[in-house]
Amino acid sequence: DAGITQSPRHKVTETGTPVTLRCHQTENHRYMYWYRQDPGHGLRLIHYSYGVKDTDKGEVSDGYSVSRSKTEDFLLTLESATSSQTSVYFCAIGRTDSNQPQHFGDGTRLSIL
Amino acid sequence: RKEVEQDPGPFNVPEGATVAFNCTYSNSASQSFFWYRQDCRKEPKLLMSVYSSGNEDGRFTAQLNRASQYISLLIRDSKLSDSATYLCVVTLSGGYQKVTFGTGTKLQVIP
Repeated sequence: DAGITQSPRHKVTETGTPVTLRCHQTENHRYMYWYRQDPGHGLRLIHYSYGVKDTDKGEVSDGYSVSRSKTEDFLLTLESATSSQTSVYFCAIGRTDSNQPQHFGDGTRLSIL
Repeated sequence: RKEVEQDPGPFNVPEGATVAFNCTYSNSASQSFFWYRQDCRKEPKLLMSVYSSGNEDGRFTAQLNRASQYISLLIRDSKLSDSATYLCVVTLSGGYQKVTFGTGTKLQVIP
């Protein structure tokens, strides 16, 4: 399995609180991605990173921010969590070459009450 | 029209059966294609890449039809352990690897 670790694996929190999810990789891949997965929508890209301090928005970035201070770590922050952000969050890593597949972490189940 | 479309299923098939899934994509500039498998409450895992000439990995065969813009996955001699959701994945390059996921086709193999 690709060396990707997400933490926490599960979290329950209240509306309005800040939440940070962490993704750690040991593969030294340049690209890292945060997705959310909801029934009926498939996986949707929130933000991605193409290097240290280099990040950009995906299709569902509103309400989320990211940071990448080291190659191996990519953080996803919900500044003020809302119930609509209840979801399963997956981190993925990828190489530059689009012919190569992405590999996913185990996921974080986040519930916002 | 969705960028990537899959029949959600479920496909309920007996052990030993052959089952096929199709996936259509809308962007003719799509470059790479993959099938992932996702078990309930788990992360997607790469099953196989899909090459233009078609490719096989044991009981699994993947095909690409660029003219009609679809990919397919054929599973022969289905096992109980094949029960999962199969995600079709299409990529474009352009600064980063733009990946579009289908919503998945659920397969249930029945004893």
